[in-house]
Amino acid sequence: SQQGEEDPQALSIQEGENATMNCSYKTSINNLQWYRQNSGRGLVHLILIRSNEREKHSGRLRVTLDTSKKSSSLLITASRAADTASYFCATDKNTDKLIFGTGTRLQVFP
Amino acid sequence: DVKVTQSSRYLVKRTGEKVFLECVQDMDHENMFWYRQDPGLGLRLIYFSYDVKMKEKGDIPEGYSVSREKKERFSLILESASTNQTSMYLCASSDGTYYSNQPQHFGDGTRLSIL
Repeated sequence: SQQGEEDPQALSIQEGENATMNCSYKTSINNLQWYRQNSGRGLVHLILIRSNEREKHSGRLRVTLDTSKKSSSLLITASRAADTASYFCATDKNTDKLIFGTGTRLQVFP
Repeated sequence: DVKVTQSSRYLVKRTGEKVFLECVQDMDHENMFWYRQDPGLGLRLIYFSYDVKMKEKGDIPEGYSVSREKKERFSLILESASTNQTSMYLCASSDGTYYSNQPQHFGDGTRLSIL
């Protein structure tokens, strides 16, 4: 079974709105990473958050981590059409390999 | 910027053929990975390598092998291609000795069809 599972599976918003995606996982982790994948392309790393961190920012991206709830969220503020992509969380499940979720497909309409 | 280059974007092969997928990274990273990506299943790790000539099985190694003769190059081999190996294959690399605390850098993928 997947270690990290994203929610929702798909999200459609208008440009300028905020987009929030969630990731839940089952076992304790050392790190959690978020990636973006544009259609037909490889994954691009967005943010890594360690288990002792609660929040991290990068430009319009904000990631939170709640280890007590075993969940993380990715917030994209002021979305743009170019943010249209699939977003994946990846956790390490107490091993040194990353395990990816199945992703959230985000569509941002102009 | 790190560049991970996969030799083909699209590849069509026949059942039973031996298939080679090549991946090259230009940042002197120790670690390299092969994943396959299928709808509804996300990315699944096939093999990874943490050093030249070293390899470790991932979650779904059956039907695959790998080769890492040089640090920058990691090859995935389908010994005898089957239709259930039709998929998107993604190569990635990362730095450091502990895989999960470093970002992975991905190539653009090879979409492989086995007929």
